[in-house]
Amino acid sequence: GESVGLHLPTLSVQEGDNSIINCAYSNSASDYFIWYKQESGKGPQFIIDIRSNMDKRQGQRVTVLLNKTVKHLSLQIAATQPGDSAVYFCAERGTGRRALTFGSGTRLQVQP
Amino acid sequence: GAGVSQSPSNKVTEKGKDVELRCDPISGHTALYWYRQSLGQGLEFLIYFQGNSAPDKSGLPSDRFSAERTGGSVSTLTIQRTQQEDSAVYLCASSFDQYHQPQHFGDGTRLSIL
Repeated sequence: GESVGLHLPTLSVQEGDNSIINCAYSNSASDYFIWYKQESGKGPQFIIDIRSNMDKRQGQRVTVLLNKTVKHLSLQIAATQPGDSAVYFCAERGTGRRALTFGSGTRLQVQP
Repeated sequence: GAGVSQSPSNKVTEKGKDVELRCDPISGHTALYWYRQSLGQGLEFLIYFQGNSAPDKSGLPSDRFSAERTGGSVSTLTIQRTQQEDSAVYLCASSFDQYHQPQHFGDGTRLSIL
């Protein structure tokens, strides 16, 4: 069945460094991928998304890379700031489905 | 409002009681989704509404769970005869329509069953 998994449950980085959060997915028919940031007590906040016909998409300080060959998704955060500390979720949507399938999350800790 | 609004933000109830959770989506969004998030876990899909189409209920864990969406806007998730395993954060999301993502989330209702 579908599953979305994360390589590391916790990632600790120094302020100003770049962060890379990885995600593996198993559904080769997934056509849409998305990253969310969730702070304590809040709902997930949209960061960036990418469709399966793309390999890379950039936003403000964030880049998402999609490798369909190995079913791997990554989120890169440039010049990580203390405000980036949160849990990050990747999610995918399979073709024909409208709901998202979420991974279990990676906690990003930014050390000052 | 500007975002997805959910109420109540917190709900504590006794096992066996019924609860109703409310979601007010972003104005103009025709697609509405309910998810459940257990402590330290990712989100689990429950149910999806799109316009006047029949809802996708494939994620509802039991027949104690039901949801409705009146007038294509506000949605209510009802849990009957609550059990302790129903304790979780219930999150609602909306999107412009089923084809246009992303889904925008509310801050959820934290449900605690005693």
